[in-house]
Amino acid sequence: NAGVTQTPKFRILKIGQSMTLQCAQDMNHNYMYWYRQDPGMGLKLIYYSVGAGITDKGEVPNGYNVSRSTTEDFPLRLELAAPSQTSVYFCASSLGGGWYEQYFGPGTRLTVT
Amino acid sequence: GQSLEQPSEVTAVEGAIVQINCTYQTSGFYGLSWYQQHDGGAPTFLSYNALDGLEETGRFSSFLSRSDSYGYLLLQELQMKDSASYFCAPGGGADGLTFGKGTHLIIQP
Repeated sequence: NAGVTQTPKFRILKIGQSMTLQCAQDMNHNYMYWYRQDPGMGLKLIYYSVGAGITDKGEVPNGYNVSRSTTEDFPLRLELAAPSQTSVYFCASSLGGGWYEQYFGPGTRLTVT
Repeated sequence: GQSLEQPSEVTAVEGAIVQINCTYQTSGFYGLSWYQQHDGGAPTFLSYNALDGLEETGRFSSFLSRSDSYGYLLLQELQMKDSASYFCAPGGGADGLTFGKGTHLIIQP
């Protein structure tokens, strides 16, 4: 099993550009999450999904969009990138919600200049 | 509302024992998880407490008191590789876990 994979690993965007961060898992997990982590800070939930076709906002959803057309994939879309979106983005998946162990991908380091 | 408190930084000596405390206030509490994150890496799961008491996993133990909304992570026989950030994460509903700012653990030789 590859676990949770994310692409790209690094990306530099110019202000106003858009991009999609890819996330895939091969553990047949229903629950998937997108977090962002700013330097020296904890993780903040952007969006989450409890299954294919179902998504919901987390703590910091503004400026982002997600879709979940399959169980495996959970892409995160950044529209009109802003410097405030410079961060490390982690995708995670779990068997269930609540307390279930979350498996994290390696992260995407995004810089917006 | 939700709140989470951990010390921002703890320093300990190799071979010693260290305790990282966590107090939380969250709705729909199911249990308390702990995650480890090395610099530049992704968080990885360490332990989970659903019930009050101590859970032991090798050199790491985690404790929960639901009535006090308090937990701690105990690391024994500290090794240099334990230098990392440690996050307590209370778990609730479908939106999963709440991560605070974490505790940066520095191990000195």
